[in-house]
Amino acid sequence: GAGVSQSPSNKVTEKGKDVELRCDPISGHTALYWYRQSLGQGLEFLIYFQGNSAPDKSGLPSDRFSAERTGGSVSTLTIQRTQQEDSAVYLCASSSTSGRRTDTQYFGPGTRLTVL
Amino acid sequence: AQTVTQSQPEMSVQEAETVTLSCTYDTSESDYYLFWYKQPPSRQMILVIRQEAYKQQNATENRFSVNFQKAAKSFSLKISDSQLGDAAMYFCAYRKDSNYQLIWGAGTKLIIKP
Repeated sequence: GAGVSQSPSNKVTEKGKDVELRCDPISGHTALYWYRQSLGQGLEFLIYFQGNSAPDKSGLPSDRFSAERTGGSVSTLTIQRTQQEDSAVYLCASSSTSGRRTDTQYFGPGTRLTVL
Repeated sequence: AQTVTQSQPEMSVQEAETVTLSCTYDTSESDYYLFWYKQPPSRQMILVIRQEAYKQQNATENRFSVNFQKAAKSFSLKISDSQLGDAAMYFCAYRKDSNYQLIWGAGTKLIIKP
């Protein structure tokens, strides 16, 4: 079936502007994750959604970052007043966690954000 | 806090040869999961292999196998009969049983020489 999709693939914005990044998880996956990957580094956890539970926002780096997940499916990551240090690849993943913690996370192709 | 260390920023191997990528981790947990992911230039993170800590048998997926040494907290990835399509960044990741967060290493860039 279809994998995780993300849009846009690339986004160039000016410092101070707001951006929205979209993630469409695998159909039926209840868990959704956002990660940030800066150049030459591993992934940094940002936020986790599981079903209708309150999201785990512990990884969000500042209050300029927010995310929502509508109808338990599509998620949008919003960065307000972007800064140059926000430039990175933003990766989304989903898994079919349903009480089992062993489920594998499947990743989308990411959005490369460049803040000028 | 758990950490994952990949000490090899870059590795190269001749096509058809075997290469081993290193990963060590630090944890006080007894139950956890370890993963190797591959990230080609397309950016998409692809699961290569997964190991449950409670299993003593090393995981194997076709040409990919791991050497899991729980006492040493080591989780290396062996790629046999390397192919040009194996060229990518390889990331080692850890997840403890009671959590969903993946803790990532910094990655190893694998170069395949034709």
